[in-house]
Amino acid sequence: GAVVSQHPSWVICKSGTSVKIECRSLDFQATTMFWYRQFPKQSLMLMATSNEGSKATYEQGVEKDKFLINHASLTLSTLTVTSAHPEDSSFYICSARDRRLAGATQYFGPGTRLLVL
Amino acid sequence: GESVGLHLPTLSVQEGDNSIINCAYSNSASDYFIWYKQESGKGPQFIIDIRSNMDKRQGQRVTVLLNKTVKHLSLQIAATQPGDSAVYFCAESLTGANYLFFGSGTRLTVIP
Repeated sequence: GAVVSQHPSWVICKSGTSVKIECRSLDFQATTMFWYRQFPKQSLMLMATSNEGSKATYEQGVEKDKFLINHASLTLSTLTVTSAHPEDSSFYICSARDRRLAGATQYFGPGTRLLVL
Repeated sequence: GESVGLHLPTLSVQEGDNSIINCAYSNSASDYFIWYKQESGKGPQFIIDIRSNMDKRQGQRVTVLLNKTVKHLSLQIAATQPGDSAVYFCAESLTGANYLFFGSGTRLTVIP
């Protein structure tokens, strides 16, 4: 149980294009999903908290117009990196909380590696 | 602000030995802690959690110890195996908070 998937797992794009990453909770419903960014040999940096049916809450320093988040259903959240640039290259990881469970346990997806040329 | 940190950024152990990974946290209000394992190129995987009303919790080959007096958390892995090689993160949650604060991670390398 508590499986989270991400798609795609790898994406290479040209500078200036937009990239959409999907995060799905496969066997549970998640009212809250989280998007993280991770640079090599560093910890996870929370970018935003995505709540189903409402606007995402972005962490300080994260551009909401740059990183568009949509949480249209209880099992799907999407992150769109708009007009991607090489500095956006990173490992993006989503996580989800099971709405049935109390507490802050998050289950993570396998990550999406973005390379912007 | 809150911070979660690790004493040892890297740890190498012989296969079969026990491993101990340490974590310090600064916010005494934190009441929920989780250990995650992250293998290269993958997302973090939940290992074990513990609430502040407990001092110790055991799982399969893993034990988490919580010392609230010194705000210290540790993960013990018994009979470490090559498959345990990964980066281990501790994370804390505050009462009423919706999210986790992650530590910087410790890379565990198991030597066959």
